[in-house]
Amino acid sequence: DAGVIQSPRHEVTEMGQEVTLRCKPISGHDYLFWYRQTMMRGLELLIYFNNNVPIDDSGMPEDRFSAKMPNASFSTLKIQPSEPRDSAVYFCASSKETVYGYTFGSGTRLTVV
Amino acid sequence: QQPVQSPQAVILREGEDAVINCSSSKALYSVHWYRQKHGEAPVFLMILLKGGEQKGHEKISASFNEKKQQSSLYLTASQLSYSGTYFCGAPMTTDSWGKLQFGAGTQVVVTP
Repeated sequence: DAGVIQSPRHEVTEMGQEVTLRCKPISGHDYLFWYRQTMMRGLELLIYFNNNVPIDDSGMPEDRFSAKMPNASFSTLKIQPSEPRDSAVYFCASSKETVYGYTFGSGTRLTVV
Repeated sequence: QQPVQSPQAVILREGEDAVINCSSSKALYSVHWYRQKHGEAPVFLMILLKGGEQKGHEKISASFNEKKQQSSLYLTASQLSYSGTYFCGAPMTTDSWGKLQFGAGTQVVVTP
């Protein structure tokens, strides 16, 4: 299996622009998670899906952030408009069940200037 | 409220042992352990699902003391490849097992 695939690996954008991060989970994994990692706040859960349905989005910072999972093999995290404080590494992870370990993608390093 | 890890950092010589602790002021229902090397994604090591459970991965093992609301990760006879940041993660409620909260991490450096 190719693992969890994220794109792009790096994204540099100007403040105010829309950013879309993409994730392809491992086939057969029913859970998909979006995490954000910064030095100050560590690993934060933004939102997670079960069978393509958002279960908990309480970690989404504000309305500028939105996530979708239109089918079992694709999810997006969108930030509009982006701000410098959104700069972080965004990880997507998937799992068969919540009592199994999570497989993380390589992450997207987002820099907003 | 995230789990609390200690120590924040540890430096070892190859072959030495170390213990990383993960504790919570609230009940722990399960504990995940991950290792992240610099510039890479976290990698799953093991999950403990019930009190008293112990598991091993190579020479890395973990225990889970449900009553003490604590889990410990043991690095035995450390190797250079063990260097990285170790995170524990736990669901903070039984309503949302997928809502894993991670500790701040313990940086481990193994030197020759």
